[in-house]
Amino acid sequence: NAGVTQTPKFRILKIGQSMTLQCAQDMNHNYMYWYRQDPGMGLKLIYYSVGAGITDKGEVPNGYNVSRSTTEDFPLRLELAAPSQTSVYFCASGLRGLVSYEQYFGPGTRLTVT
Amino acid sequence: KNQVEQSPQSLIILEGKNCTLQCNYTVSPFSNLRWYKQDTGRGPVSLTIMTFSENTKSNGRYTATLDADTKQSSLHITASQLSDSASYICVVSATGGYNKLIFGAGTRLAVHP
Repeated sequence: NAGVTQTPKFRILKIGQSMTLQCAQDMNHNYMYWYRQDPGMGLKLIYYSVGAGITDKGEVPNGYNVSRSTTEDFPLRLELAAPSQTSVYFCASGLRGLVSYEQYFGPGTRLTVT
Repeated sequence: KNQVEQSPQSLIILEGKNCTLQCNYTVSPFSNLRWYKQDTGRGPVSLTIMTFSENTKSNGRYTATLDADTKQSSLHITASQLSDSASYICVVSATGGYNKLIFGAGTRLAVHP
């Protein structure tokens, strides 16, 4: 299993540009999450999904959109990039049912908006 | 407000020494507490998960403790190795449909030879 994969690893955007961060998992997990990690801060939840076709906002959803058409994929869309969206983005997946509700993280995408 | 605070922010120790990282939380309703290791440029990887009824859990040279009464946890690293250099993140899960996680800012540990 590849686990959780993210592309691209790095990206530089100009203000106002759009892009999609890709996330895929091959563990058949029903839960998927997008987080952002700013320097010196804890990870913040942007959006999450409990299954294909179901998404909901997390703590910091403004400026982002998601979709979940399949169990495997959970792309994150930035429509009008702003400097405040400069961050490292992590996708995670998990399986509901066991006590731990473990989450598995991808390697991250480092995004710079200038 | 749900919060997780970690101390110290950063720590430097010599290879072979032990160290203890601290975590205080104000999360309700509490579900479980996790410690993650995050290597530079990588995603977090789970070390331990403890539920309300567990007060200690080990994973090799890592031992986590939990005091649910005082809402404190610690992560003890024994006989440190250079590969232990990383950020260690305390994460508390609140009960809820989507497994809400509240992340601490992490302790950055550097192990020097």
